[in-house]
Amino acid sequence: GQNIDQPTEMTATEGAIVQINCTYQTSGFNGLFWYQQHAGEAPTFLSYNVLDGLEEKGRFSSFLSRSKGYSYLLLKELQMKDSASYLCAPQDFNKFYFGSGTKLNVKP
Amino acid sequence: DAGVTQSPTHLIKTRGQHVTLRCSPISGHKSVSWYQQVLGQGPQFIFQYYEKEERGRGNFPDRFSARQFPNYSSELNVNALLLGDSALYLCASSQIHASTGEQFFGPGTRLTVL
Repeated sequence: GQNIDQPTEMTATEGAIVQINCTYQTSGFNGLFWYQQHAGEAPTFLSYNVLDGLEEKGRFSSFLSRSKGYSYLLLKELQMKDSASYLCAPQDFNKFYFGSGTKLNVKP
Repeated sequence: DAGVTQSPTHLIKTRGQHVTLRCSPISGHKSVSWYQQVLGQGPQFIFQYYEKEERGRGNFPDRFSARQFPNYSSELNVNALLLGDSALYLCASSQIHASTGEQFFGPGTRLTVL
């Protein structure tokens, strides 16, 4: 089975930095994805971590600690268009798990 | 380049009926995965197909089945529909095995069961 925990909702100000945490327990583990999903749209890929450490990709960074079952997504220089749900998705080789998502509200 | 396409966009069925949802992956992608997403929740994994073989299955009843065709398109079939099957069904494709590559999602099929 699997258990994925991330905050339900967060609010941040335009231009600020926000960190979305995710803890997970899965029967197997191959890596962890983060996806962004705007309301009424399909998820889009943000990042993929396999090894421990930080992966940076423009304004977005993602961190993984396999031993702690922990990941976070860091969003810098927030823009209004970043208002969306952010899905933590740990994977094992043949099965894919998504958290319920964190709804991020960016306010002016 | 065309992205992942799904048909139909919307569908209304009644309890007990059968439904077939279709997905065409991005050209060159060999892996297709199916997900069910209920409003306010994250996608729930149903199946993964890679090179036309089932490679993974989530915790869904046997009423759910799928297949992948030689051209890598895929169908998801659901029998004996229940009200609880109402959801957005997402298809995602990836170039290689989905667990090691980025998945590209289609726009989804919105299924309503009355």
